[in-house]
Amino acid sequence: SQQGEEDPQALSIQEGENATMNCSYKTSINNLQWYRQNSGRGLVHLILIRSNEREKHSGRLRVTLDTSKKSSSLLITASRAADTASYFCATDGNYGQNFVFGPGTRLSVLP
Amino acid sequence: NAGVTQTPKFQVLKTGQSMTLQCAQDMNHNSMYWYRQDPGMGLRLIYYSASEGTTDKGEVPNGYNVSRLNKREFSLRLESAAPSQTSVYFCASRSDRVTGELFFGEGSRLTVL
Repeated sequence: SQQGEEDPQALSIQEGENATMNCSYKTSINNLQWYRQNSGRGLVHLILIRSNEREKHSGRLRVTLDTSKKSSSLLITASRAADTASYFCATDGNYGQNFVFGPGTRLSVLP
Repeated sequence: NAGVTQTPKFQVLKTGQSMTLQCAQDMNHNSMYWYRQDPGMGLRLIYYSASEGTTDKGEVPNGYNVSRLNKREFSLRLESAAPSQTSVYFCASRSDRVTGELFFGEGSRLTVL
C-alpha cells in the first residue's frame, strides 16, 4: 500500500506561472521528501521537511507540511520549461527507515 | 563522481530466463535499495539492505533475490522472469545523514516477453 498520494496526477501550466502539487499520507511520519524525475531518468532529491516544520524554502521551491491533515504541498514559483518532469513525495514507510513513494504528479510547463 | 551506477540500462528477456541487475555506489553509504516503477504505481520497494551483510524484503519481493556483495554493490536477481516483471528498476543508496535522502541510479528498463 502506498503511503503518499500526490494530487493532481497531471498538471499543465504556462511558463512563468506557479505550480502547486499536493501529497497526502496515511500514518505518522518523521519527515517527508520531494523528488523530481525527468523523463527516462532516475529520481533526484529536491527538498526534505521534518515533521516539526511547517514550511521550508529552497530557491523557487516552497514546501509546506500540515501533520494534522497529513498533507504536504510543493510550490514551484515562476516555472520554466525545464521544470517539466514528474514529482514524487516520499514518506517514512512500513519498512524501518525506508521511504514509500506516491504515484507522482506529471508537470508540463509550456513555453 | 559517479554516484549510483546500474547495469544494464536495457534488457529483453523471454519468460523463464534469469538475469541479474547490478548496482554500485561510490558514496560509502550503508543502506541500499531496489525499487520497481510501473505506470501509475509510483515506486515500490522490492528489497533493501540496511548494511553490508543484511538484506530485507520490501513491499513486492516475490520473484526476486538480492545479494549485498560488499558495501558498494547490491545486485537484484530474477531467477525465472515473468511478463509481470516487465518494469523499470531503480537502485538507490541512502545518505547516512539524519535527513537520509536517497540517491538513485538511472534505471534499468526490463521487458519480459
